[in-house]
Amino acid sequence: GENVEQHPSTLSVQEGDSAVIKCTYSDSASNYFPWYKQELGKRPQLIIDIRSNVGEKKDQRIAVTLNKTAKHFSLHITETQPEDSAVYFCAASGGTNAGKSTFGDGTTLTVKP
Amino acid sequence: NAGVTQTPKFQVLKTGQSMTLQCAQDMNHEYMSWYRQDPGMGLRLIHYSVGAGITDQGEVPNGYNVSRSTTEDFPLRLLSAAPSQTSVYFCASEERASGNTIYFGEGSWLTVV
Repeated sequence: GENVEQHPSTLSVQEGDSAVIKCTYSDSASNYFPWYKQELGKRPQLIIDIRSNVGEKKDQRIAVTLNKTAKHFSLHITETQPEDSAVYFCAASGGTNAGKSTFGDGTTLTVKP
Repeated sequence: NAGVTQTPKFQVLKTGQSMTLQCAQDMNHEYMSWYRQDPGMGLRLIHYSVGAGITDQGEVPNGYNVSRSTTEDFPLRLLSAAPSQTSVYFCASEERASGNTIYFGEGSWLTVV
């Protein structure tokens, strides 16, 4: 089955700096790679996603890049703000893994004012 | 449109007791799944379903049963609760086409004493 590894597990940045979180996956059949943000006590919420036919996608301060050959994808947050502090999860699904997403273990991002 | 609704939100069980976590979605999504989230870890797939009458095991299925008699409902049954099943449980649904947003319920906090 699919295996997703996420790094780093914790990340602390100063407000205004950039943050980068990386994930690798094992199953080349996976073709959908979402990123979720989870605040304390809340459900995960989708913040951005990318499909395997695209190399990069951007939405305001958030961007995701995908390298299919190397089987890794990354989340980039620019101009970080204290409200970006949360746990971020990457996931992989699709293809033969349709309907069952595999999640990374999460990255706790702290943005210091 | 309520999205994904799961109940109860909080539950305390004694070891050996059984219970059912209810999950319903009103978006006519074919895919539904149950995840558990332990402190400091990502979401691990328990069971999933790609349509009514079809269920399959995920990464951590032991001690849990599911059924999918309708498109809307996907209950999770704990057969004989154990302290190791203390966790937060999330139900989720997504559209059938590969690579679509996962919609999570609000979560159920379960403690087994």
